[in-house]
Amino acid sequence: SQQGEEDPQALSIQEGENATMNCSYKTSINNLQWYRQNSGRGLVHLILIRSNEREKHSGRLRVTLDTSKKSSSLLITASRAADTASYFCATDDTGGFKTIFGAGTRLFVKA
Amino acid sequence: DTEVTQTPKHLVMGMTNKKSLKCEQHMGHRAMYWYKQKAKKPPELMFVYSYEKLSINESVPSRFSPECPNSSLLNLHLHALQPEDSALYLCASSQEPLAGGSETQYFGPGTRLLVL
Repeated sequence: SQQGEEDPQALSIQEGENATMNCSYKTSINNLQWYRQNSGRGLVHLILIRSNEREKHSGRLRVTLDTSKKSSSLLITASRAADTASYFCATDDTGGFKTIFGAGTRLFVKA
Repeated sequence: DTEVTQTPKHLVMGMTNKKSLKCEQHMGHRAMYWYKQKAKKPPELMFVYSYEKLSINESVPSRFSPECPNSSLLNLHLHALQPEDSALYLCASSQEPLAGGSETQYFGPGTRLLVL
């Protein structure tokens, strides 16, 4: 079953602009992760934020987590054409035994 | 070595064939996963192996048969598949299963399967 819902489903921006993707989930979590997937390839882990954290940075990435609203956002600053990919949020299920992926946001960065 | 490898990259098979997908990691991870991913959809968990034992089977049809011969290898045996089983099959591993929440998973590049 799908835990995370993401919006927008697709996003097209110009190089240099910022891209923001949102993820909402339904049940309590221990942590939330963001992954990137280039077309038809494996997923690459970007960042993990724990339920007791509110914000985390990694290079041009900024992730926020609001457990009261059961939502997270991923901000990519100064986007590049190479950022073109699908981005998925992922949460653990209630028992923490498995990872459930959201529907994903397809980001297209135009050069 | 932080790489998960998968073979083959592409596979075309008929509905009566038997084939196997292979996955290998040398990071000492004790959890390994199989996911199925259809186009423009998120990965869907199929199986989880924890310390070489099957710990989760997400009600996957028996025409998919996983095997974990040792801590570095994970196979997925395929038999009598249907055209709707065509998808990207992803293998992943993580350091420790059941560690108070999902662990960071390392994914292989996937096997693109086409069932005719």
